[in-house]
Amino acid sequence: QKEVEQNSGPLSVPEGAIASLNCTYSDRGSQSFFWYRQYSGKSPELIMFIYSNGDKEDGRFTAQLNKASQYVSLLIRDSQPSESATYLCAGGMDRDDKIIFGKGTRLHILP
Amino acid sequence: EADIYQTPRYLVIGTGKKITLECSQTMGHDKMYWYQQDPGMELHLIHYSYGVNSTEKGDLSSESTVSRIRTEHFPLTLESARPSHTSQYLCATLGTNTDTQYFGPGTRLTVL
Repeated sequence: QKEVEQNSGPLSVPEGAIASLNCTYSDRGSQSFFWYRQYSGKSPELIMFIYSNGDKEDGRFTAQLNKASQYVSLLIRDSQPSESATYLCAGGMDRDDKIIFGKGTRLHILP
Repeated sequence: EADIYQTPRYLVIGTGKKITLECSQTMGHDKMYWYQQDPGMELHLIHYSYGVNSTEKGDLSSESTVSRIRTEHFPLTLESARPSHTSQYLCATLGTNTDTQYFGPGTRLTVL
């Protein structure tokens, strides 16, 4: 059974600080990983995807992947109250194109 | 920017009615998905399709059915709605080059 695990939170971070979100996965065959942000009552929106070990930066966002430890993280620098939402980690397999989602971490950015 | 459309956006219906939730996309993606999500809860995959005339059940047992007669269209049908079907239904496609899922705006269904 493929699983993606996240701490449900809530994670509270003061405005302007770095928010750090973590995710682990059980299937070593997982090839690609995604971070989505979901506001209450809205659809998930893609923030970042990462395929290779190491860091990937896009603006204030950095995704980190460690395949040996089966660990994915997302850092949000200079976090803003408007970014308070649930952050979903997801892992994908090439062979069956099913993307498995974690349960999400609720993030609160405190003004 | 992904172009995925879902209609209706909101639906309130009585028990026992037959309903069809529409999902369409203009990107020509072969792979499409239906997820069910209750408020504050995780996404559950209920159906997916690899292309025309291909449909598969997902990880969550569902009383709904789907069809895929055209690439751009992936409707989901409930033959007899029940209050337990009250939820948000999200349609998604899988991007060809980025292997990234793009989500539609969702249909919020309430069965009385």
